[in-house]
Amino acid sequence: DAKTTQPTSMDCAEGRAANLPCNHSTISGNEYVYWYRQIHSQGPQYIIHGLKNNETNEMASLIITEDRKSSTLILPHATLRDTAVYYCIVRVAGYGGSQGNLIFGKGTKLSVKP
Amino acid sequence: DAMVIQNPRYQVTQFGKPVTLSCSQTLNHNVMYWYQQKSSQAPKLLFHYYDKDFNNEADTPDNFQSRRPNTSFCFLDIRSPGLGDAAMYLCATSTQGLDGYTFGSGTRLTVV
Repeated sequence: DAKTTQPTSMDCAEGRAANLPCNHSTISGNEYVYWYRQIHSQGPQYIIHGLKNNETNEMASLIITEDRKSSTLILPHATLRDTAVYYCIVRVAGYGGSQGNLIFGKGTKLSVKP
Repeated sequence: DAMVIQNPRYQVTQFGKPVTLSCSQTLNHNVMYWYQQKSSQAPKLLFHYYDKDFNNEADTPDNFQSRRPNTSFCFLDIRSPGLGDAAMYLCATSTQGLDGYTFGSGTRLTVV
């Protein structure tokens, strides 16, 4: 079973920041938070991951709460091409047998509107 | 560019007729995965190879098999496809490190 809870869907206006929440209250100390997105009819795309510090790359920012029980993915200036299903996944980083496998939950369908 | 390539993009097979889907990678990743994604559902892990070691998920039906003849290639064999096996099949690769998985574009399988 997926270890995360995400809203089923969200809307965002084009050009505004999209903030996608994720709850992972049972996260273990050695588990990382990974975010992927899947644009319709394409394979999932890696976005970002983190352990406990906030992370930023060219695609997004990841904010993890101090207790690590929740996180937020931020797309700073959403475009129509960011419309996708966003998956928040917790896993042991590196190859850790079944603990390290990427297990997808239901994700959040983000719709960016003009 | 280094990538994960799945062929074909679309595959139609007859009910009960064996079918093979292929995946190749130029990333030299030692782990390769196969996922099944049915319409409006999340991808579901079927199995993976760590180098030559095969690891099956507990709930993967026996109808699904896999082969990995070398580092670059991995195949998904469906011995007797049923209508319920119609789905997008996704191949992914990873290293042993912190990097995320790299996915192919998928093969959409139709069973008629």
